[in-house]
Amino acid sequence: AQKITQTQPGMFVQEKEAVTLDCTYDTSDPSYGLFWYKQPSSGEMIFLIYQGSYDQQNATEGRYSLNFQKARKSANLVISASQLGDSAMYFCAMREGGNFNKFYFGSGTKLNVKP
Amino acid sequence: AAGVIQSPRHLIKEKRETATLKCYPIPRHDTVYWYQQGPGQDPQFLISFYEKMQSDKGSIPDRFSAQQFSDYHSELNMSSLELGDSALYFCASSRSQGPTYEQYFGPGTRLTVT
Repeated sequence: AQKITQTQPGMFVQEKEAVTLDCTYDTSDPSYGLFWYKQPSSGEMIFLIYQGSYDQQNATEGRYSLNFQKARKSANLVISASQLGDSAMYFCAMREGGNFNKFYFGSGTKLNVKP
Repeated sequence: AAGVIQSPRHLIKEKRETATLKCYPIPRHDTVYWYQQGPGQDPQFLISFYEKMQSDKGSIPDRFSAQQFSDYHSELNMSSLELGDSALYFCASSRSQGPTYEQYFGPGTRLTVT
C-alpha cells in the first residue's frame, strides 16, 4: 500500500488566493512525522513545514499551514495569499516511527499560480 | 546558514562508464540519505548512512555503492551506467537527535547518460 498519497497531480490557483494541497498517509505506527517539500523548476528540494503525530496544534510557518486531521490520516498543506513564486512541485513526505531512516514521499502536486 | 553541498551539479557520462557523486552534509548532521528522482517522478530512496555506517537500503541497484567518510561526507559510486540511470540525484542530511528529523536536501546532481 502507498504510504503517502497525493491525489492532485496538478492544480491552478489565482495569485493572492489560498490553495490546499491534499495529502493522506498510511501508517500503523503511533509515532510519525509529516513533512512538506517544495521543488521549483530549478530542481532543489526545499523543506517547508513539519507536523508531528503527537502535536496538538496544526503547524504553521509563515504563509504555510498544515491542516492535520489525525483520524482521517490527512495532512493537507494550505498556502495562503499565493504568489507567482509558489509555482512548483510540492511533495508530502512521512517519517515513520522513531526510525529516522524511514522516509516516504508522495508522487507530488504541481501547483501553478496564475497572475 | 550552511546547506547540503553536492558536486558536481551536472554530469554527462556515456553508457558503461562510471560516475562518482559527492555530498557534504550540513555541519553536525550525522545522517546522510541518497535519492534518485527520474523525470516527473517523486524521489526514490536509495541508501542512507548514520555515523558512517549504512543504516538503510532502498531501491539501489547492485551497480551502485556508497559510503560515508570520517568527515561525514558521502560518495555515491555508480558503475556500468545505463541510459535509465539518467536522473536527478539528491543527497539529504539530518540530525539523529530528534524530534523532527527533517531532511535537508542538497541542490542535486543531474546525471545524463548518453
